[in-house]
Amino acid sequence: DTAVSQTPKYLVTQMGNDKSIKCEQNLGHDTMYWYKQDSKKFLKIMFSYNNKELIINETVPNRFSPKSPDKAHLNLHINSLELGDSAVYFCASSQDGSRSNQPQHFGDGTRLSIL
Amino acid sequence: SQQGEEDPQALSIQEGENATMNCSYKTSINNLQWYRQNSGRGLVHLILIRSNEREKHSGRLRVTLDTSKKSSSLLITASRAADTASYFCALRNTGGFKTIFGAGTRLFVKA
Repeated sequence: DTAVSQTPKYLVTQMGNDKSIKCEQNLGHDTMYWYKQDSKKFLKIMFSYNNKELIINETVPNRFSPKSPDKAHLNLHINSLELGDSAVYFCASSQDGSRSNQPQHFGDGTRLSIL
Repeated sequence: SQQGEEDPQALSIQEGENATMNCSYKTSINNLQWYRQNSGRGLVHLILIRSNEREKHSGRLRVTLDTSKKSSSLLITASRAADTASYFCALRNTGGFKTIFGAGTRLFVKA
């Protein structure tokens, strides 16, 4: 019954590796997001997709590539992982991201640790 | 900065006391939202207040918005240990598409 689910919950890997995080929402929402939360709890938007179309692409290294095979899924692939990529990554969704009064629903995060 | 800035950064109170958290911002907004984040979990939406509203209630939560001062406050009355969490304000600029989150207030309620 989980509304926004992301896997894995924990990811520990070596510097230089490539990894993916998956996200799925069963809310029927049109818009999905990826956020990065650093050690100071600051939450920063990375990407947003609306009906599989990229609408927000913040200043993120091109080692990060989102992919939305359908509007219920938004995956995040990261190439050549660096120490600074260690953080908690959150997936979220909202009914219609173009409407500002829509609350966002978050997954429980993927804690990425780079060794 | 477009983001909301919460104050205080951390707050420790006894169960039963009220907790007040503040959020200040710099731009014109459509609305302001408050979210809660329990340790190890994702953010959960609490309440939204529109730019033409001054106060809103939801259970033990009371939110105020002063657009002239560009500030909002979240009051949790009769706090419980289960209210221990981080609280974030989030704002949407007028005409903008992004929701910008502040750095949060960490609330600790002692039983």
